[in-house]
Amino acid sequence: QKEVEQNSGPLSVPEGAIASLNCTYSDRGSQSFFWYRQYSGKSPELIMFIYSNGDKEDGRFTAQLNKASQYVSLLIRDSQPSDSATYLCAAFSGGYNKLIFGAGTRLAVHP
Amino acid sequence: DGGITQSPKYLFRKEGQNVTLSCEQNLNHDAMYWYRQDPGQGLRLIYYSQIVNDFQKGDIAEGYSVSREKKESFPLTVTSAQKNPTAFYLCASSMRQMNTEAFFGQGTRLTVV
Repeated sequence: QKEVEQNSGPLSVPEGAIASLNCTYSDRGSQSFFWYRQYSGKSPELIMFIYSNGDKEDGRFTAQLNKASQYVSLLIRDSQPSDSATYLCAAFSGGYNKLIFGAGTRLAVHP
Repeated sequence: DGGITQSPKYLFRKEGQNVTLSCEQNLNHDAMYWYRQDPGQGLRLIYYSQIVNDFQKGDIAEGYSVSREKKESFPLTVTSAQKNPTAFYLCASSMRQMNTEAFFGQGTRLTVV
């Protein structure tokens, strides 16, 4: 079982719609979770982090964490073509004391 | 400006050669990481270090070596034992505490010629 799992996509949404990206993790000792955006050929850039159950909002982005279900999600409201990228979910494993990434979900926002 | 710097941006290696990728940070971060990314794939952890003079193997450490003699620096050597080294290599750093984010360098694209 992979430690952090994401659907590889591509997830295709129309401009202006809500994009929903999901991530599950296997290590119950994970305490903090991160969403990164990566454009093709570039390094990942941090969008949001969350470590408490519930929702965390920042502009058009909302991260959601459910530790009981070991589930993290990222919602992007009013999606724009510039949001088209690969979104990487990461978990800090307390048990292994390291940052573990999922394989990423490719998002395509079409006009 | 504070940040994390990788060099070179592009690197070409001949078969059988060792090459070293540089990673330097001036963020005063304790933890540093090396990841490998293949086309269309996610990030796989090669090595990580939580403190100076200490480092641990990640999921794909075979054929790689690292050192952490200074807090600011975490160089990665790709040895000739790494049979398929062509990839995009990313270095990251973070504070040691678990609830802090990691920042990435711009990456080094290594190609075997």
